[in-house]
Amino acid sequence: DGGITQSPKYLFRKEGQNVTLSCEQNLNHDAMYWYRQDPGQGLRLIYYSQIVNDFQKGDIAEGYSVSREKKESFPLTVTSAQKNPTAFYLCASSIRGRTGVTEAFFGQGTRLTVV
Amino acid sequence: DQQVKQNSPSLSVQEGRISILNCDYTNSMFDYFLWYKKYPAEGPTFLISISSIKDKNEDGRFTVFLNKSAKHLSLHIVPSQPGDSAVYFCAASAREIKAAGNKLTFGGGTRVLVKP
Repeated sequence: DGGITQSPKYLFRKEGQNVTLSCEQNLNHDAMYWYRQDPGQGLRLIYYSQIVNDFQKGDIAEGYSVSREKKESFPLTVTSAQKNPTAFYLCASSIRGRTGVTEAFFGQGTRLTVV
Repeated sequence: DQQVKQNSPSLSVQEGRISILNCDYTNSMFDYFLWYKKYPAEGPTFLISISSIKDKNEDGRFTVFLNKSAKHLSLHIVPSQPGDSAVYFCAASAREIKAAGNKLTFGGGTRVLVKP
């Protein structure tokens, strides 16, 4: 079945360690995104990629890094420089339709807890 | 600077009645708007959308209204059902001609509780 897969669903890490969250899609979508959700808040854009080997910073990119070596994959690394890494992370992908507008499809999310 | 705002963090409604969720935006470049539904510990799922060339879009029990002059949109759910209890996010995007996909700017969400 086509979709977006995020793994793992729950992740625990010690403070000061880098951690990489996986996101894979088999929808043949060109664009992929990483959002972060904090309790009681909306989704904030961390990074996005319109095409392989290219990505752009979103609104809260500090302390994060990404790569886009393959169309299907867009891993997110939460570095030790991220001051408040504990959050729910959501990956999404989209394709531009004929009318020029798109809707994003989301994965199930990864809850990262840093202790 | 929050470009998309949902000023009501929560809403409680009786089963069978109408739920009205509101969303305001500030960026006049936004020309496409979406509503997503989200359950706890899951990813958001797309519900309904509207282009700026329209002022209404309907899909079953869900209707979205857009008032461009007021930079305001609303989602109506009629009749509300207990399964509609979730967090609803409003999102907006500005079409970029050469973009493979448009990044979405989300509001803070409104938690809806439908009471049986």
